[in-house]
Parts: sequence; structure tokens; C-alpha cells
Amino acid sequence: DAKTTQPPSMDCAEGRAANLPCNHSTISGNEYVYWYRQIHSQGPQYIIHGLKNNETNEMASLIITEDRKSSTLILPHATLRDTAVYYCIVSQLLDSWGKLQFGAGTQVVVTP
Amino acid sequence: DTEVTQTPKHLVMGMTNKKSLKCEQHMGHRAMYWYKQKAKKPPELMFVYSYEKLSINESVPSRFSPECPNSSLLNLHLHALQPEDSALYLCASSQVPGNSYGYTFGSGTRLTVV
Repeated sequence: DAKTTQPPSMDCAEGRAANLPCNHSTISGNEYVYWYRQIHSQGPQYIIHGLKNNETNEMASLIITEDRKSSTLILPHATLRDTAVYYCIVSQLLDSWGKLQFGAGTQVVVTP
Repeated sequence: DTEVTQTPKHLVMGMTNKKSLKCEQHMGHRAMYWYKQKAKKPPELMFVYSYEKLSINESVPSRFSPECPNSSLLNLHLHALQPEDSALYLCASSQVPGNSYGYTFGSGTRLTVV
């Protein structure tokens, strides 16, 4: 699977949009971009995934560049409950080995 | 029921003890996983069970012994652990193996080895 690079940390003001970047320059054609987050002392939680089109759900939006070498997770109106470590993962939709593997992630702190 | 339940939430054990961690899901998922997470590190995959059979062991020491008695239950048996095995142990499940957007995680068992 392709590797990802994320900033180690970022701050965001409550009520503002949080834009979380992720680089995945070695992504292959059949690999998706997934985002999970982990709130302190909880298990990771799935947020969103995409292949090449932009995606939106009730939690976030995912913008993938045309060359697919990078993406941005957007939390439109950050709340204090969005403080968490956010993981960008590149993987096949159905990894026959079942290996969902996490990188270092970005620690996001939302401040009042 | 859309949850993965892990028990106990906290466990303290001595290096000579034998203990077990339990994980349960009732979503009909046929793949279950154990992850280990050290403080301020990402989760690391330990084991994958696919249709109740062990499909992946990520070179985990034999003092960790997984068991999948049925499609809803996953156990992790612990014996002769070392203090460096202290960590958060996370269980996850997915509908089929490797369904990357469908992983549901439990809240974990925080293990301390003394």
C-alpha cells in the first residue's frame, strides 16, 4: 500500500473550517483514500473515503486532487468534539489481506 | 447493534499471570482484528481473523494467543507478558476482510503489565 504524509499537528478555532492535508504521491490506480479519526481513549472511527471524485457526508468533505497525489479532509464547522487524531490511509477498497494500517496521523486541537 | 464491545476496559496483570481480553460484535461481520496501540502512536495490526480462521499474524510473540470461538467473539489470551506489552488493545470488525471503510472499532482494553 502507498504511504501517506500528514502534518503532525494543527490547531483550529471552534466554528471555523478545519482543512487537513494529506500527501500520497505513490498512490496506485485502484487505491482509495480513507480518513479515520481517534478521539482520546476511544477506538478509531471511520469518517469518509474516496477514489478520485470529491465526496461529502454528514461528517466531512474529501477533496482529492486531479493527479490523486494529495487530498484534503474538510471539517466544515469544527467543534470541540472534533479534537482528535486524524488518520489518512491509502488502501484498496477490498484489501484481500485485511490490512488496514495507520500512519502517524495529525493531532487536531479545536480551541474555543 | 452497531458496536464492538471490549471487556475489560482496564486490566492490570503481573508478568506471571494469565488473562484474556474479550471482544464481541453482533453486526454479522465476518472479519475481526486485534490492534495494539502504544501511547502517542498509531494502532498496529496484530491479528486478522477471516470467517473464524486466523489469516494474518503480524509476527506477534507467542505470549499473545488469539482465539475466535464463533463469528461474534474474539479473544486474546495473554501469558507471561512483559512490561513493554503495556498498551491499549483495540478490537475491530468489518463485514468482509479488508473492507477498508467498514471497520468498526471497540473502545479498547488498557493493559498494564507490572
